[in-house]
Amino acid sequence: DAGITQSPRHKVTETGTPVTLRCHQTENHRYMYWYRQDPGHGLRLIHYSYGVKDTDKGEVSDGYSVSRSKTEDFLLTLESATSSQTSVYFCAISSPGQTNTEAFFGQGTRLTVV
Amino acid sequence: AQSVTQLDSQVPVFEEAPVELRCNYSSSVSVYLFWYVQYPNQGLQLLLKYLSGSTLVKGINGFEAEFNKSQTSFHLRKPSVHISDTAEYFCAVSDLRETSGSRLTFGEGTQLTVNP
Repeated sequence: DAGITQSPRHKVTETGTPVTLRCHQTENHRYMYWYRQDPGHGLRLIHYSYGVKDTDKGEVSDGYSVSRSKTEDFLLTLESATSSQTSVYFCAISSPGQTNTEAFFGQGTRLTVV
Repeated sequence: AQSVTQLDSQVPVFEEAPVELRCNYSSSVSVYLFWYVQYPNQGLQLLLKYLSGSTLVKGINGFEAEFNKSQTSFHLRKPSVHISDTAEYFCAVSDLRETSGSRLTFGEGTQLTVNP
């Protein structure tokens, strides 16, 4: 599991409520990512971070915000959850270099917005 | 910008048969190519990757893939599949710019089902 812990693993929430998902790593990797997985779409990047307090948007960032106050933690927040945000969310980490170019994924968080 | 197309959403095969999962990509810059596997209710695990050098890449569990630059393809193959290979397979590309790290663009996925 490359030292990645996502919490919670499952969550059901109501439309309009705020939700925060947490990704914690023990590998000291520089980069962290949040993806969402939906049938027929594969995985799509929501936001990513290239260092503490350094974040950028991915292709499906609307309705999501992120924060990274420590190297090991990357938080994904849905300010006001909608049914379209029902999905499986994956955190990934990487430290790209000449030989280490892959991303390692967490186990995922299944979020249901009702 | 990059895009990845996996040409088959579902591939059913019989045990011990060969299999090929097809992946095409488009990009305006050079890319690195990956195949990931996802078993039910789990995260993604790297099968293999192409960075440079030999266009035939060998990965875990007997899988291999061939990079074809002229056809912008990176098809995944296995000569003889097992029941345990049943999973969803994702092709992905990354341009590995310093500011984007291993930011990946994924295909839609191919569900491989191996039947006895």
